[in-house]
Amino acid sequence: QQQVKQSPQSLIVQKGGISIINCAYENTAFDYFPWYQQFPGKGPALLIAIRPDVSEKKEGRFTISFNKSAKQFSLHIMDSQPGDSATYFCAASMMSGNQFYFGTGTSLTVIP
Amino acid sequence: NAGVMQNPRHLVRRRGQEARLRCSPMKGHSHVYWYRQLPEEGLKFMVYLQKENIIDESGMPKERFSAEFPKEGPSILRIQQVVRGDSAAYFCASSPLGGEVGEQYFGPGTRLTVT
Repeated sequence: QQQVKQSPQSLIVQKGGISIINCAYENTAFDYFPWYQQFPGKGPALLIAIRPDVSEKKEGRFTISFNKSAKQFSLHIMDSQPGDSATYFCAASMMSGNQFYFGTGTSLTVIP
Repeated sequence: NAGVMQNPRHLVRRRGQEARLRCSPMKGHSHVYWYRQLPEEGLKFMVYLQKENIIDESGMPKERFSAEFPKEGPSILRIQQVVRGDSAAYFCASSPLGGEVGEQYFGPGTRLTVT
């Protein structure tokens, strides 16, 4: 079964706008939540990650919001740029574990 | 500082042939993970290896798939008697000795097409 559910599947945003991608998980043992960015033909690259002891983490234009009680987390991209056009994957894992559980991805297109 | 290297980048095999995918981890990394990405889907964990040891193969199909990470040389994911359903992108990730799961760095992937 899909351990991490991601939405929307695709997203189109105007340059300068805010892109928001949402993920939900079921396993309360997860304690590490990274977001990956993937350009066509490339491997996923770690963008930003959060642990459940904080509700928000910001790095530049990228912010993760985390809601532990709702078992949800989201990625916000402020001032979206055409260069942000890529596929974004959320993931979850246990720090004591060996693997990530990935969402199904969101294809983001930022229109100039 | 070279990243994770995978080769070949593209591989075409006919049904019934064998596919061998190679992964060279980042320098200083001794843990390797293999993931499979089917079209329109996220990555799915297959196997986690350390040098000469398979640590977790809970995501590997029971038949036709095998992985190794020898003392010398790259990690190899082998798919025997490939079928069309094996067509996918296969990604390798590596992490340093003693590192946490969050420190996985991904390679560019091998795109396998089975005709």
